[in-house]
Amino acid sequence: QKEVEQNSGPLSVPEGAIASLNCTYSDRGSQSFFWYRQYSGKSPELIMFIYSNGDKEDGRFTAQLNKASQYVSLLIRDSQPSDSATYLCAVRATGTASKLTFGTGTRLQVTL
Amino acid sequence: SQTIHQWPATLVQPVGSPLSLECTVEGTSNPNLYWYRQAAGRGLQLLFYSVGIGQISSEVPQNLSASRPQDRQFILSSKKLLLSDSGFYLCAWTGGAHEQYFGPGTRLTVT
Repeated sequence: QKEVEQNSGPLSVPEGAIASLNCTYSDRGSQSFFWYRQYSGKSPELIMFIYSNGDKEDGRFTAQLNKASQYVSLLIRDSQPSDSATYLCAVRATGTASKLTFGTGTRLQVTL
Repeated sequence: SQTIHQWPATLVQPVGSPLSLECTVEGTSNPNLYWYRQAAGRGLQLLFYSVGIGQISSEVPQNLSASRPQDRQFILSSKKLLLSDSGFYLCAWTGGAHEQYFGPGTRLTVT
């Protein structure tokens, strides 16, 4: 069973701090890694994706991938109350018609 | 730009009634399409995916079915709903980097 694991949270960080969200996956054949944000009652929105080991930055967001450790993370700098949401990690294995396996998400709360 | 539509937005149906949810995509051709269900407080469960017209793959055995009568149309159906079918149903399509984009979803409550 291919699994994607996330701590359900809630992860509470003060406004302006860095939020660090983590995800581990079991399938070593995984090729692509995605982070989504889901506000309560809404559909998931793509934040960013990463394919290669290392860091990828997009605005206040940085995705980090370590394939050897089967670990992917998302850093949110200068966290804002509007960042309060559930963050979903998703993983794609090779040759799977672009099917993604999702974690159950980490709930982030940014406090004033 | 690409847009994905789902309807209805909300639905309340009695147990044993039929179901039809529709998803359409604009601005792209021959997309891979997906149906997911998200139960309250749970993760996304892939139900069906399609790589082309008439091509449907089922991920979990259940009383749901899917069809793709046109390139950019994906339909989720059931002949008889169960209480366990309640949830948030999401349609998605795949972009060029294998990323998926979700529609606004249909919230189904089976009573």
